[in-house]
Amino acid sequence: GAVVSQHPSRVICKSGTSVKIECRSLDFQATTMFWYRQFPKQSLMLMATSNEGSKATYEQGVEKDKFLINHASLTLSTLTVTSAHPEDSSFYICSARDLGALNTEAFFGQGTRLTVV
Amino acid sequence: AQTVTQSQPEMSVQEAETVTLSCTYDTSESNYYLFWYKQPPSRQMILVIRQEAYKQQNATENRFSVNFQKAAKSFSLKISDSQLGDTAMYFCAFMKQWSQGNLIFGKGTKLSVKP
Repeated sequence: GAVVSQHPSRVICKSGTSVKIECRSLDFQATTMFWYRQFPKQSLMLMATSNEGSKATYEQGVEKDKFLINHASLTLSTLTVTSAHPEDSSFYICSARDLGALNTEAFFGQGTRLTVV
Repeated sequence: AQTVTQSQPEMSVQEAETVTLSCTYDTSESNYYLFWYKQPPSRQMILVIRQEAYKQQNATENRFSVNFQKAAKSFSLKISDSQLGDTAMYFCAFMKQWSQGNLIFGKGTKLSVKP
């Protein structure tokens, strides 16, 4: 299957700082990317959907000013957690799809474990 | 709103035996897509199997098969000849429209395959 690379896999940051997570589709054009958050021993919750060149659509309850998503190219989307607090500590996972290609599912990145201290 | 329910937080099975993981969902849509994903300790999400709601035939992928009951809104996963590498979290997921692509996940079932 297609490869989605997410970086970094782990990051520790100080409270009040910002951290950027990258999600790259390596061998296909990701017209749409999805950002999920997974709390320990829980399910994946969709945070936002981004289409290349457009503003992201955020799910209810997700602060768009806190979780900045940029999808400027067909192979790269970034999630920036601004002014991070300990409660933002979580596992963040991206997935990418090429909606222009028929019959293709979403492919997931390896995830990023964010710890805010 | 769509919901996905996995009622078995944890399951265990002996190696080489068969296990069935349950999933029910709620939707008013007539056409949609259902998935089972595997998340091993590495946390990488891996697609196990996919079912289109308009297809009556149950999907199969090698040792993995589903029992899709549309009227009952049930979508169970059967793993045959369980292997140690099947140990993982398994998530059932719903997608309303192929053109949208966002997934709604159940809470997951932790499967342990014992030697």
